[in-house]
Parts: sequence; structure tokens; C-alpha cells
Amino acid sequence: EPEVTQTPSHQVTQMGQEVILRCVPISNHLYFYWYRQILGQKVEFLVSFYNNEISEKSEIFDDQFSVERPDGSNFTLKIRSTKLEDSAMYFCASKFEGPTDTQYFGPGTRLTVL
Amino acid sequence: DAKTTQPPSMDCAEGRAANLPCNHSTISGNEYVYWYRQIHSQGPQYIIHGLKNNETNEMASLIITEDRKSSTLILPHATLRDTAVYYCIVPLNTGTASKLTFGTGTRLQVTL
Repeated sequence: EPEVTQTPSHQVTQMGQEVILRCVPISNHLYFYWYRQILGQKVEFLVSFYNNEISEKSEIFDDQFSVERPDGSNFTLKIRSTKLEDSAMYFCASKFEGPTDTQYFGPGTRLTVL
Repeated sequence: DAKTTQPPSMDCAEGRAANLPCNHSTISGNEYVYWYRQIHSQGPQYIIHGLKNNETNEMASLIITEDRKSSTLILPHATLRDTAVYYCIVPLNTGTASKLTFGTGTRLQVTL
């Protein structure tokens, strides 16, 4: 069964460093998402991406964040200068098309900022 | 998104049916109800969704009331591996991106 994959599973970085989290969405999906979950808190929407541009972003997704689909298979989230409060699980999701299609989530990347 | 209300926690004995309720009284006529679960800190796992008719798949059944203001997710024979946080979500259909807004869900504890 197709699934969303994410790498790395765990990333440790120093405050102020740039990190890139990678996702491989399900191959025929057209909509891509990033969510995050700070330990003990809710899963929060960050950004949605379609047709090579951002469809919607949350207040969390400020200028420090960017997304890219550099090729036909990968979808990345870059944090330019990490802060301690960026420590969280980051989940990628994708869906085929249409408002009622299901989003499928990857296993997540645990980002630890020291 | 239409606001959903779920009990914070429930217990269920292994082998019994787990019935997880959700209220979504402000749901609009074309909005679907989705159920996801999250086991520990893993990625949310899709379970089932529906509009107005009851739905069943290999994981669960979804019963939606006739007025669509509430629904119940049924795990027919709960196992220890079904211990998780279960989320009832009604995405707002603004365009096709349709982000998911997660609440605090129901923490289901399946016990021996």
C-alpha cells in the first residue's frame, strides 16, 4: 500500500542552524501539507501546497519557514534559523485531489533544537 | 472548520466494541466527518470518513445521525493496539486544500 515517507526520523540541531525536513508524498497525490506537534500539544497545520505554490499557511508559518517541491517526488520544509521552540514532531501529509479526498500522513520527523 | 466536541478519555475492554462519540452541531450540509487516530507520537492515521450515510471499512464503522450533528466511531472488537488518541475532524471546504484542524481528541485506553 502506498505511503508517505519522511526523512530523517530524528534531527538534532543547534539553535540558529538551518534544517531541511524531507518528505516523499504518495506518488499520484497533488496536494501536500506540513503539520507539527509540540510535545504534549495538538497537531497544528503549518502549510498546504498545490501546483507548485502555497495554498494556505498558518500564523506559525512565518518567514523562517519555506517549502519546496524540488523534483517530482520530494516535498521539503526548510527552517532557516531554528529556535528552541521549533522543537516538535513534523508531519508531512498528501492527498490526491478534491476537497473530500483523504489526507495521508507520514511517520514524522522529530526535530530537537538545542 | 466546524467545531467538534469529544470526551477526553474512554476505556474499553479488549474484545469489546469501542464506541467513540463526537458532536459537530455546526456542520454544514456538504462537510464530511473524518476520523483519524494517533498512536503515541506517530503520524495521524486515517480511519474512515462519511457525509450522511453510515460507513464501514476494515478498521471501523461510522454512524452519523440523521441530522448530522453527531457521529459515533465504532471499533467492533478493540485490541490493545487500538489504544490511541482518536480525532473527529470536520474540515472546512474552502477550496480544495482543506487543511485538517485537530482538537484534543479522545484518548482510548484498551485494557485486558
